[in-house]
Amino acid sequence: EPEVTQTPSHQVTQMGQEVILRCVPISNHLYFYWYRQILGQKVEFLVSFYNNEISEKSEIFDDQFSVERPDGSNFTLKIRSTKLEDSAMYFCASRDDRGDTQYFGPGTRLTVL
Amino acid sequence: AQTVTQSQPEMSVQEAETVTLSCTYDTSESNYYLFWYKQPPSRQMILVIRQEAYKQQNATENRFSVNFQKAAKSFSLKISDSQLGDTAMYFCAFMKPTENTGTASKLTFGTGTRLQVTL
Repeated sequence: EPEVTQTPSHQVTQMGQEVILRCVPISNHLYFYWYRQILGQKVEFLVSFYNNEISEKSEIFDDQFSVERPDGSNFTLKIRSTKLEDSAMYFCASRDDRGDTQYFGPGTRLTVL
Repeated sequence: AQTVTQSQPEMSVQEAETVTLSCTYDTSESNYYLFWYKQPPSRQMILVIRQEAYKQQNATENRFSVNFQKAAKSFSLKISDSQLGDTAMYFCAFMKPTENTGTASKLTFGTGTRLQVTL
């Protein structure tokens, strides 16, 4: 069964460094999402993406964040200058054009020191 | 804006018993989708069940079923014959429907209920 994949599974970085989190959505899906979950808290929406542009973004998704679909398979989230409070689990999700169910990847745990 | 409330931070159930997790939501939309996601210790987000608001029939998936009360804006999850593998965090989530191609509707999550299944 097709699934969303994410790399790396765990990323440790120093405050102020740039990180890129990578996702490979399910191949025939057209809508892509990033969510964040700070440890012990609920899952929060960051950004949605369709047709090579941002569809919606939350107030969390400030100028430090960007997303890109550099080729036909990858979907990336970049954080330009990480802060301690960016430490969280980051989930990528995707869905197809007809369905309403978002399928999640296994997540990337980001630790900012 | 939509909000989702899960008022039970933690619950415990014995193996083979039945447990019900509560979820209420607030929206002015007439049509929408509701979901329950399971998050085991691995922290993977796994879809358990989905419900379309315009369908009156409650969704079921094997041992999992929902009690959808649209007027009360309530969407509870019932787990029958609980198994040790059901131990996880359970999140209720809301999503507006996709009205037009290109509307990438987001999920709004509740704060979760931690379920522990015991022997």
